[in-house]
Amino acid sequence: KAGVTQTPRYLIKTRGQQVTLSCSPISGHRSVSWYQQTPGQGLQFLFEYFSETQRNKGNFPGRFSGRQFSNSRSEMNVSTLELGDSALYLCASLNADRGEQYFGPGTRLTVT
Amino acid sequence: GQQLNQSPQSMFIQEGEDVSMNCTSSSIFNTWLWYKQDPGEGPVLLIALYKAGELTSNGRLTAQFGITRKDSFLNISASIPSDVGIYFCAGHRGNAGNMLTFGGGTRLMVKP
Repeated sequence: KAGVTQTPRYLIKTRGQQVTLSCSPISGHRSVSWYQQTPGQGLQFLFEYFSETQRNKGNFPGRFSGRQFSNSRSEMNVSTLELGDSALYLCASLNADRGEQYFGPGTRLTVT
Repeated sequence: GQQLNQSPQSMFIQEGEDVSMNCTSSSIFNTWLWYKQDPGEGPVLLIALYKAGELTSNGRLTAQFGITRKDSFLNISASIPSDVGIYFCAGHRGNAGNMLTFGGGTRLMVKP
């Protein structure tokens, strides 16, 4: 089985712009979670989608949003980018039978 | 965001030595997961623990789910240079949804 894929791998944006990141989970996995990783805050949960519905949400401002499509692929969007949004954004898909999350390689976002 | 207390923050050891790291929490988790992350990549799942007191091995890695369900440890025996990386513990409460809470990570450096 192919693993979790994320595109793009690297992205450079300027303050005030918006960005969309994409994640394709492992085939058969219906839950997709998004995490932000920074040196200062570590790995923090953004939100989880299951069957096209947001099931959980972390403590991030409304500028961060996401969605999931019927094929379980997910996108996250960050609007009005700030310098502090520079981070590695990780997507994880869930093996519901075993409760194990598998991560993609991440998208490195740099905001200048 | 909330994090698990993971220690030590970093370790610099000689090749062949054994390594031990642990995670503690003030609250109960129903599942403990251990991940390894290499630079520029997403975390890779090493071991998953589901029952209090459970001891699980994966090659040279051994992890235990604490009896109180508030802690877990990971041991690496006979370390080798490719063990270098950052190790994260993660806890899952088992409620609806699949949010993971992460430790701050243990950076392992191995001297050949």
